[in-house]
Amino acid sequence: EPEVTQTPSHQVTQMGQEVILRCVPISNHLYFYWYRQILGQKVEFLVSFYNNEISEKSEIFDDQFSVERPDGSNFTLKIRSTKLEDSAMYFCASIYLAGVNGYTFGSGTRLTVV
Amino acid sequence: QKEVEQNSGPLSVPEGAIASLNCTYSDRGSQSFFWYRQYSGKSPELIMFIYSNGDKEDGRFTAQLNKASQYVSLLIRDSQPSDSATYLCAVNVGNTGNQFYFGTGTSLTVIP
Repeated sequence: EPEVTQTPSHQVTQMGQEVILRCVPISNHLYFYWYRQILGQKVEFLVSFYNNEISEKSEIFDDQFSVERPDGSNFTLKIRSTKLEDSAMYFCASIYLAGVNGYTFGSGTRLTVV
Repeated sequence: QKEVEQNSGPLSVPEGAIASLNCTYSDRGSQSFFWYRQYSGKSPELIMFIYSNGDKEDGRFTAQLNKASQYVSLLIRDSQPSDSATYLCAVNVGNTGNQFYFGTGTSLTVIP
């Protein structure tokens, strides 16, 4: 069963530091996403990415966030200057065709900002 | 404001019983509806999706959709202790329809 792979599984960073979360989507998928889940809260959409550009983003995804697909396999989420409230589980997801089936989520990166 | 509402529970059912999970959504333009299972500390895992009004069955799981009432449900037959998890309802929204709004989830405990 193909998987979405995320690294690292846990990242601890100091407030104000930059972090990069990495994802390897399923190889033939075309649409990529980042979601986050603050502890005890709902899963929230951050951004969707297709054809090497952002297709949609939420209000959460402000100028501190950016995404990139630097090569044919990796999909990254960068937070430029982390805040305490960025502490959450970050999930990468991918899908072959948007709006048809559900996403496959990665195992997540737990980001702790101290 | 697009909303997906779920009863947070906890919902407890005895092993072998039917568990019924409910979800309502506010965006009438939503076309696709999904149920995910999430174990504590893990990522959401897709159980079922449904697009058309009516029932859709997959093994022990049945999803039910009523677009007129903006209501989606998930029935789990012959509930097992391994079904104990949080069940997330997700609805597609957004300009391209590929953004999901998730509910807060219903915590289910199946008692052996």
